[in-house]
Amino acid sequence: NAGVTQTPKFRVLKTGQSMTLLCAQDMNHEYMYWYRQDPGMGLRLIHYSVGEGTTAKGEVPDGYNVSRLKKQNFLLGLESAAPSQTSVYFCASSYQTGVRSNQPQHFGDGTRLSIL
Amino acid sequence: QQQVKQSPQSLIVQKGGISIINCAYENTAFDYFPWYQQFPGKGPALLIAIRPDVSEKKEGRFTISFNKSAKQFSLHIMDSQPGDSATYFCASALVGSSNTGKLIFGQGTTLQVKP
Repeated sequence: NAGVTQTPKFRVLKTGQSMTLLCAQDMNHEYMYWYRQDPGMGLRLIHYSVGEGTTAKGEVPDGYNVSRLKKQNFLLGLESAAPSQTSVYFCASSYQTGVRSNQPQHFGDGTRLSIL
Repeated sequence: QQQVKQSPQSLIVQKGGISIINCAYENTAFDYFPWYQQFPGKGPALLIAIRPDVSEKKEGRFTISFNKSAKQFSLHIMDSQPGDSATYFCASALVGSSNTGKLIFGQGTTLQVKP
């Protein structure tokens, strides 16, 4: 099993360009998440999904869109890239959480995105 | 705003020493507190987690201490090894009927264990 796979691993964009980051998981997880990691700020949730066809906003959703057309894939889109979106982006997935417990989130190895 | 504050930002420990990382949370409704470990170039991975109904949880050399009244929890790494050198993130979450598994992460602590 590959776990959580993120594509691409590195990308350099110019301001105003658009791109899509792909996250694929082969663990049949219900839940999927997109985070951005910036120095000194930890991981901040951008968008998440609790099932195929559903998405919701996280802590820092502005400038990003997502889609979950298939259970195993979660796409993160930047419509018009800005230098402030330079970051490392992580995708994570987990089994459905319970009323009294959380399931571990399994992370990919990240996409390093630079916007000039 | 729900926040989790983590300290110190960086930590250097000698091999065999004890590493201690602290976190403080604001929302008293949080009831799940995990620690994630991240090696360079990799994504974070769950290390250990605790629920607020216990004050301590130990797994091998890693221990979480939890103080509900102070809204604080900490990670202790006993007999620290160079292989423990990584970035550690604490997190908090609200568990319940509408649980979406969302985590609020601390700012991270970079640990270096010197041989």
